[in-house]
Amino acid sequence: GAVVSQHPSWVICKSGTSVKIECRSLDFQATTMFWYRQFPKQSLMLMATSNEGSKATYEQGVEKDKFLINHASLTLSTLTVTSAHPEDSSFYICSAFLAGGQDTQYFGPGTRLTVL
Amino acid sequence: GQNIDQPTEMTATEGAIVQINCTYQTSGFNGLFWYQQHAGEAPTFLSYNVLDGLEEKGRFSSFLSRSKGYSYLLLKELQMKDSASYLCAVRDRNAGNNRKLIWGLGTSLAVNP
Repeated sequence: GAVVSQHPSWVICKSGTSVKIECRSLDFQATTMFWYRQFPKQSLMLMATSNEGSKATYEQGVEKDKFLINHASLTLSTLTVTSAHPEDSSFYICSAFLAGGQDTQYFGPGTRLTVL
Repeated sequence: GQNIDQPTEMTATEGAIVQINCTYQTSGFNGLFWYQQHAGEAPTFLSYNVLDGLEEKGRFSSFLSRSKGYSYLLLKELQMKDSASYLCAVRDRNAGNNRKLIWGLGTSLAVNP
């Protein structure tokens, strides 16, 4: 149980284009999902908290107009990196919050974005 | 404020036991998590502690002392595949969002033959 998928697993795009990443909880409903970014050999950096049916909550320093988050259903959240630039190249990981008992975050496999 | 400390790197030998420590400072402690992350992959959940004491799960055990703000992850019978980064994370009910976690920087464990 508690399986989270992420799509695509990797993407290469040109500078200036937009990229959409999907995060799905496959066997449970998640009213809350989280989006992280991780640069090589660095720790996880929380970008935003995605709440089903409401606006996402962004961490300080994360541009909400650049990183658009939509959590339209209890099993799907999307992150769109708009007008991507090479400095946006990173490993983007989502997690879904499974409520009850341990209240644990389960992670998707991540999406490696390379912006040329 | 909130702070989590864990060693940056550790090395151990295959078949041995290793203990990875984590100390934390939070105003509203509400659970501590350990995750394993292999290079290039996403973290996977290992353990959860909210009460003092030891939680055992196969070769892995996790201990918590709330009064000391201290936890450790114990790995027994080390295998080469245990080489990974181990992340300590704490939930703080006073963090504005009681579902998000505060993450340590991770301990990179290298298991040598």
